[in-house]
Amino acid sequence: NFMLTQPHSVSESPGKTVTISCTRSSGNIASNYVQWFQQRPGSSPTTVIYEDNQRPSGVPDRFSGSIDRSSNSASLTISGLETEDEADYYCQSFDSSITVFGGGTKVTVL
Amino acid sequence: EVQLVESGGVVVQSGGSLRLSCVGSGFNFDDYTMHWVRQAPGKGLEWVSLVTWDGGSTSYSDSVKGRFSISRDNSQNSLYLQMNNLKTEDTAFYYCAKDGVSLSESWSWGQGTLVTVSS
Repeated sequence: NFMLTQPHSVSESPGKTVTISCTRSSGNIASNYVQWFQQRPGSSPTTVIYEDNQRPSGVPDRFSGSIDRSSNSASLTISGLETEDEADYYCQSFDSSITVFGGGTKVTVL
Repeated sequence: EVQLVESGGVVVQSGGSLRLSCVGSGFNFDDYTMHWVRQAPGKGLEWVSLVTWDGGSTSYSDSVKGRFSISRDNSQNSLYLQMNNLKTEDTAFYYCAKDGVSLSESWSWGQGTLVTVSS
């Protein structure tokens, strides 16, 4: 089985841009889609990015996802940071019927 | 609107059993792979199990393999998780989730149900 490694926390001021990385320990990051979930305190997770870079309807275009084969990682970028973006973010992928979540990244808006 | 409603979470003693349920609405339930995902208090998300659209294939995390069993009843738009030989480390919110990747859709999540295993 593989692991997905995320930074524990990131922080930035309103209006700025943050990027969260998600590095796959083994296997090819591009072989299986990566999803990104947002979880605000006391709430269930919601999807902000699916299939590496697709945004569900209702998710602002400030959220974007990408894949970097050279570093075997995925990234979630939040631009124009707003206070409502303060939350935990999790990446997720799968392989051979096993689903894996990253450890989560706490985004703090200063 | 997609809705997933979990139920069945209670306080149970270590070694006991419990069955969680999840009812889906607002989508064609039998088109989708379904998952159980859990979250211990103050911790991250942990995948537990999945079942394919027809119930023909299941998969489990190593932490629950041999103790938990996932199933579904498409006629009732329902997903289940039978949890046996519960341990204190199974204490968590349990979420059911609809996996839309095979249909180029995003995951959808329920509100969760809390399972507390006491020693």
